[in-house]
Amino acid sequence: KNEVEQSPQNLTAQEGEFITINCSYSVGISALHWLQQHPGGGIVSLFMLSSGKKKHGRLIATINIQEKHSSLHITASHPRDSAVYICAVDSGSARQLTFGSGTQLTVLP
Amino acid sequence: DAGVIQSPRHEVTEMGQEVTLRCKPISGHDYLFWYRQTMMRGLELLIYFNNNVPIDDSGMPEDRFSAKMPNASFSTLKIQPSEPRDSAVYFCASQRGNTGELFFGEGSRLTVL
Repeated sequence: KNEVEQSPQNLTAQEGEFITINCSYSVGISALHWLQQHPGGGIVSLFMLSSGKKKHGRLIATINIQEKHSSLHITASHPRDSAVYICAVDSGSARQLTFGSGTQLTVLP
Repeated sequence: DAGVIQSPRHEVTEMGQEVTLRCKPISGHDYLFWYRQTMMRGLELLIYFNNNVPIDDSGMPEDRFSAKMPNASFSTLKIQPSEPRDSAVYFCASQRGNTGELFFGEGSRLTVL
């Protein structure tokens, strides 16, 4: 069983829809990262959080430490949001991130 | 700041050749990470440095892989000799402290024929 599970693996939405991507993990963590990767492109860090909630523009990330669960929400989705979204957890030991397998998001116009 | 800079962006080489990938971290960042991304295995940490010192290289696949960080502004990942199974995208990332945001480079796409 992977230590970091993301769902769904693939998600197709219509422009304007509210989107939620989930991440569950099984280890104790010091921080959780949400990353975005466009096709053929580099990786951009969207959020790093260890508790509560963070918001940046149309993106919101939440984390529940007790339940070992985080969600990434996108409000008013747009085709340019189409990308792979990756959850990664930092267990705090040896500075290693454990990555989820990613969620491929496609937003149709 | 220009962000994390990697070179080359693309490299195509033949099996057995030496490959050197380069990374310039963001100024002031004291952690540097080398990751490899493949379709089969996703993102994997190869090695990371703190203040130019290699801390954990347990992710380096085998002795054909080596990494150095001679100073705070430069790191290399070398593969010698290269093999087709090394084909992947190699990412460098840097971070300020152990609570800072992680910044990735654009990646170096390596194809070994």
